[in-house]
Amino acid sequence: ETGVTQSPTHLIKTRGQQVTLRCSSQSGHNTVSWYQQALGQGPQFIFQYYREEENGRGNFPPRFSGLQFPNYSSELNVNALELDDSALYLCASSRVDRGSTEAFFGQGTRLTVV
Amino acid sequence: SQELEQSPQSLIVQEGKNLTINCTSSKTLYGLYWYKQKYGEGLIFLMMLQKGGEEKSHEKITAKLDEKKQQSSLHITASQPSHAGIYLCGADESYSQKLVFGQGTRLTINP
Repeated sequence: ETGVTQSPTHLIKTRGQQVTLRCSSQSGHNTVSWYQQALGQGPQFIFQYYREEENGRGNFPPRFSGLQFPNYSSELNVNALELDDSALYLCASSRVDRGSTEAFFGQGTRLTVV
Repeated sequence: SQELEQSPQSLIVQEGKNLTINCTSSKTLYGLYWYKQKYGEGLIFLMMLQKGGEEKSHEKITAKLDEKKQQSSLHITASQPSHAGIYLCGADESYSQKLVFGQGTRLTINP
């Protein structure tokens, strides 16, 4: 048990729709990072939130956006869903203002776009 | 940008045998993480290495980071069915927790 929980666990959406995925961080962690993992691949960094502000983004278009709340929980929003957005979405919580620490992952949300 | 190459991509071993998974980086690694993933599930943290020559062990799993900090290995001694899964190495480029991952190594343990 990492203390990082994601919801929902599975989701099916239609192309063109919008989706919101949620992540609650481990207690004491102030940073949340989101990753997309396509089938058979390693996770790819989408973006990171630190103290409610975006703190770096990977090679993903603006239709991928996020929020971090005062309690350090986070949301990932994806607009105008495409078939290629079908993947496992993972969030990781950590604390980066004390040097490099372990990043603990949630169980993921499996998104299927049809 | 940072690239990580894992080898082998898949591995099938007999229960009780030892095995090694390698992770090679195109750049110096400031932080190297090993995770285990069951199919379709989240990542389970195994170990983090930061210093050249560092070695850490947990139960039957040992991870090493070479002196040049460009290669890491994960060694499992006396493998068990519970070790089966996908092993991922991830690199932290700047102590920022923005990890770049290898493609994973799928480990199967035969009884």
